[in-house]
Amino acid sequence: EPEVTQTPSHQVTQMGQEVILRCVPISNHLYFYWYRQILGQKVEFLVSFYNNEISEKSEIFDDQFSVERPDGSNFTLKIRSTKLEDSAMYFCASSAQGRTSGELFFGEGSRLTVL
Amino acid sequence: GQSLEQPSEVTAVEGAIVQINCTYQTSGFYGLSWYQQHDGGAPTFLSYNALDGLEETGRFSSFLSRSDSYGYLLLQELQMKDSASYFCAAYGSSNTGKLIFGQGTTLQVKP
Repeated sequence: EPEVTQTPSHQVTQMGQEVILRCVPISNHLYFYWYRQILGQKVEFLVSFYNNEISEKSEIFDDQFSVERPDGSNFTLKIRSTKLEDSAMYFCASSAQGRTSGELFFGEGSRLTVL
Repeated sequence: GQSLEQPSEVTAVEGAIVQINCTYQTSGFYGLSWYQQHDGGAPTFLSYNALDGLEETGRFSSFLSRSDSYGYLLLQELQMKDSASYFCAAYGSSNTGKLIFGQGTTLQVKP
């Protein structure tokens, strides 16, 4: 069964360092997303990506964040200068039809710990 | 703004039926999805309502009433493995497929 894969599963970094989280969405999907979840809280939307560009971003997704789809398979989230409050689980998700199908496929997440 | 309200915790016994309610306030509401999450792992899609009424998928059903800005997830024949967090999530007017999640309901199933 096709699945969304994410690496690394856990990353520990020092405040101020750059972090890149990687995702391989399901191959025939067209819509890609990053969400994050601070421990014990709700899942929060960060950014959506369609047709090789950002289609929407949240207030959380400020200038320190960026996304790329450098080739036909990978989808990355970069945090330029990490802060303590960036510590969270970051989920990548993909969808074949966006809100038409109502179904997002999530990866297992990358847990980011900023010290 | 956009917000979804759901109970923080629900407890039920194995074999029982439980209903998790969700009320929402979103601009340009399009549809309501439900996701299950075990121990902070990947949220897993359960059900989706774009139209009013009941959608049934095995032991899980979901209901939507647009006029009441309300939906619920119904879990039947509860099993211990159903102990998890359940999130309602809404699509708004944006066609990017952005989902806004509720705070989640922790379901504890007891023997």
